[in-house]
Amino acid sequence: KQEVTQIPAALSVPEGENLVLNCSFTDSAIYNLQWFRQDPGKGLTSLLLIQSSQREQTSGRLNASLDKSSGRSTLYIAASQPGDSATYLCAVRSSNDYKLSFGAGTTVTVRA
Amino acid sequence: KAGVTQTPRYLIKTRGQQVTLSCSPISGHRSVSWYQQTPGQGLQFLFEYFSETQRNKGNFPGRFSGRQFSNSRSEMNVSTLELGDSALYLCASSLGSGEHNEQFFGPGTRLTVL
Repeated sequence: KQEVTQIPAALSVPEGENLVLNCSFTDSAIYNLQWFRQDPGKGLTSLLLIQSSQREQTSGRLNASLDKSSGRSTLYIAASQPGDSATYLCAVRSSNDYKLSFGAGTTVTVRA
Repeated sequence: KAGVTQTPRYLIKTRGQQVTLSCSPISGHRSVSWYQQTPGQGLQFLFEYFSETQRNKGNFPGRFSGRQFSNSRSEMNVSTLELGDSALYLCASSLGSGEHNEQFFGPGTRLTVL
C-alpha cells in the first residue's frame, strides 16, 4: 500500500523567503505525482503534475522535482507572498492499482 | 472551460437519513473520483468511475455508493448516515488514463450530520 508523507506539517516564513516543501512515498511504481494547494474549507487547486518519466516541472514561481528511485518530491516556491498561505498537498498515482494517495499536507503561513 | 461543479455545496442531515451528492466533471473528462476529507483522517479515496464503470474503490463501508451516467456526471450516495460521516466530500475529474492524468477538483460539498 502506498504511503505518502509530508514534512513539516506546518511552516511559517516571512514574506520574500523561498519555501521548500517535502513529500516522500514508499512505492516507486508510480504514474505521476501531483501537487495541490487547498485554502481553508475549499477544494483543491492543481499546481503541478510531474509524470514518472520527468525529473521536474516549473510554473511561474513554482518548481517541483521528482526522484522516483528514492521516493521523494520537493516543491519550491520562490519569493513567497502572503497569498501563498495555504495547505499544500502532494498526491501519488500508483501504477499498480491506479489509486491516488495523498499526504496529510503542509500548512504554510507567509507573514507580511 | 467550466471547472468541476458539485451540488449542493452545503447539506445538513440527521443520523439515519440518506444523502445524494452530485458532481459534473470538466467537459471531455471521462473519469470522476470521490474523496472524503476530515480533520482527523485527511483525504481518503472513496471510488473512481470511468466511462460509467467503477474502476477503483477505497476502504469504505457499503453504505457509500456511487454511479456515473453516460454524460460522465456522477452521483454519490450515503445511506443510514452516521455522525462520523460529517466531512467535506470532494469530487475530481480527469481525462482518465496515463501519465498525463491530471486531477481537477471541485469546491466540495460540506455535509454535516446531526
